[in-house]
Amino acid sequence: QQPVQSPQAVILREGEDAVINCSSSKALYSVHWYRQKHGEAPVFLMILLKGGEQKGHEKISASFNEKKQQSSLYLTASQLSYSGTYFCGTEESISGGSNYKLTFGKGTLLTVNP
Amino acid sequence: GAGVSQSPSNKVTEKGKDVELRCDPISGHTALYWYRQRLGQGLEFLIYFQGNSAPDKSGLPSDRFSAERTGESVSTLTIQRTQQEDSAVYLCASSTDRSHYGYTFGSGTRLTVV
Repeated sequence: QQPVQSPQAVILREGEDAVINCSSSKALYSVHWYRQKHGEAPVFLMILLKGGEQKGHEKISASFNEKKQQSSLYLTASQLSYSGTYFCGTEESISGGSNYKLTFGKGTLLTVNP
Repeated sequence: GAGVSQSPSNKVTEKGKDVELRCDPISGHTALYWYRQRLGQGLEFLIYFQGNSAPDKSGLPSDRFSAERTGESVSTLTIQRTQQEDSAVYLCASSTDRSHYGYTFGSGTRLTVV
């Protein structure tokens, strides 16, 4: 089942912050975050494994709450280059392991204006 | 190669014809995935190959869709008797065994059925 992302779209001015949420109805083994610019392939940002870790990538960080089956992506002091569609991909936890494939949300369109 | 290579980049075909899409994964990546992305939509899982294991075909939308992979190298996705609803970008991705470094996506094949 597809994870649910919110919001569907967000518009920022350069330097502002944003949070994108991803929630699943299934037990998760990992959560991936990707960014896709128009007409291009999705690009991997980071992976969070079960254990509630938080990771960072430049001024982009994310958290994963395994119990709530939720992940959030935090973009701070946004730059024009952050514009794009952000997808979370969830890997289900089955029998203590994973099902080895990602199910993606519908995406969040982020627009950063000067 | 340095990245995931897909061919052709664009394909226009007549309704009812068969098409074959090709994916060359990153050398050494044992896992290979096919996803479909309709205009403005998220990524829809189609099929997953892992080494010599039986592929996970659970995402193939109908028996008109099939895919093969030779060992840990090239994969082909075949769509028989194409329909207009098959029009989409077909993305291939590869990863290491445990995908902890994320998926690397190819640039996709844009399929248009007229």
